[in-house]
Amino acid sequence: AQKVTQAQTEISVVEKEDVTLDCVYETRDTTYYLFWYKQPPSGELVFLIRRNSFDEQNEISGRYSWNFQKSTSSFNFTITASQVVDSAVYFCALSEGGSNDYKLSFGAGTTVTVRA
Amino acid sequence: DSGVTQTPKHLITATGQRVTLRCSPRSGDLSVYWYQQSLDQGLQFLIQYYNGEERAKGNILERFSAQQFPDLHSELNLSSLELGDSALYFCASSGSLRAEAFFGQGTRLTVV
Repeated sequence: AQKVTQAQTEISVVEKEDVTLDCVYETRDTTYYLFWYKQPPSGELVFLIRRNSFDEQNEISGRYSWNFQKSTSSFNFTITASQVVDSAVYFCALSEGGSNDYKLSFGAGTTVTVRA
Repeated sequence: DSGVTQTPKHLITATGQRVTLRCSPRSGDLSVYWYQQSLDQGLQFLIQYYNGEERAKGNILERFSAQQFPDLHSELNLSSLELGDSALYFCASSGSLRAEAFFGQGTRLTVV
């Protein structure tokens, strides 16, 4: 069963528009971690944020913000005032504590294209 | 720069061959992960080592093997290569099991 679902395959916006990427996860563990990674056209995976299951505070980092809601098992990511450099594939990932290895289960990714 | 180094960056080889991918984790990181990224399967966890010992296995084929050496670098060995093994192979490392993983730039393997 898919543990992380990113329902949006592709999103295309014009520069300065806001973009929200949805992520829904599934786990039975009480201790888990959620992540967002960015994969620009150059191919590397860049860590953006980690959130643990006990911390439901939303977080803002510059133009990036994250909304974690345990009640709906969602960890959504918003890019405010998007820029062309934000064009990339964004992956949401889940790491579960029950197996004690904390490997990452990735969603399928959302391709974001920001047009000038 | 994540601090994780993978070599080579690109590899082209023929079917049936064997290749070795190398990963140097960030300084001090004990945990090393290998992931495969392909168009049809997405990002898939292959195997994890922690301080030299195998910790977890994912959907890793029997033709694939890995190890982590005393200096903490890791190698992923892929043998009897098939066209379907063409993919981007990532190594990641983390300081502890609960910490975020930082990824290398990947090795793009093309099997022809």
